[in-house]
Amino acid sequence: EAGVAQSPRYKIIEKRQSVAFWCNPISGHATLYWYQQILGQGPKLLIQFQNNGVVDDSQLPKDRFSAERLKGVDSTLKIQPAKLEDSAVYLCASGVGAGELFFGEGSRLTVL
Amino acid sequence: GNSVTQMEGPVTLSEEAFLTINCTYTATGYPSLFWYVQYPGEGLQLLLKATKADDKGSNKGFEATYRKETTSFHLEKGSVQVSDSAVYFCALSDGGSYIPTFGRGTSLIVHP
Repeated sequence: EAGVAQSPRYKIIEKRQSVAFWCNPISGHATLYWYQQILGQGPKLLIQFQNNGVVDDSQLPKDRFSAERLKGVDSTLKIQPAKLEDSAVYLCASGVGAGELFFGEGSRLTVL
Repeated sequence: GNSVTQMEGPVTLSEEAFLTINCTYTATGYPSLFWYVQYPGEGLQLLLKATKADDKGSNKGFEATYRKETTSFHLEKGSVQVSDSAVYFCALSDGGSYIPTFGRGTSLIVHP
């Protein structure tokens, strides 16, 4: 069974530029999560989708971050414009409920 | 709100030593509890879980017992190996939203 796929693995941009991350969850998983993991901290939830609907986006900085999950399968997380403090690893995870998640390898963003 | 507190790392041990990583939580209701592990260069993966009080989760020689009276879920292993070197995350998921909340992680370094 294929795992959660994420791309790109690494991205370096200048502040005020934009960036997009892509995630393809495990087939059949209705729930998809985007987490932000800053160095030395635990993952922080940005947004949770159930199929193509948003369950929770209360911690998503909506002035600069956006996410979509068209057709309830893969998802894209965008940051525009990026700030220095957005440097982090962006983790995508999928699951079937009850909190057990399957994570991708993450996309590491460096904002200069 | 829900929260998870883990002991600070790094925890440095010699091979075959006994491991304990402390985790306590705050939650409403009766959450499910998890330990995730992140090996260098890889994504998080589920190590073990427990869904109700007094349950013991176990995997790969690791164990953790859901203690409702002390709101704890400490991770233990009787004899660690160099290959156990990783970052360990305690997490909870409440029964309402199934949105997992993570601790900040504890780095384990095992020397030969």
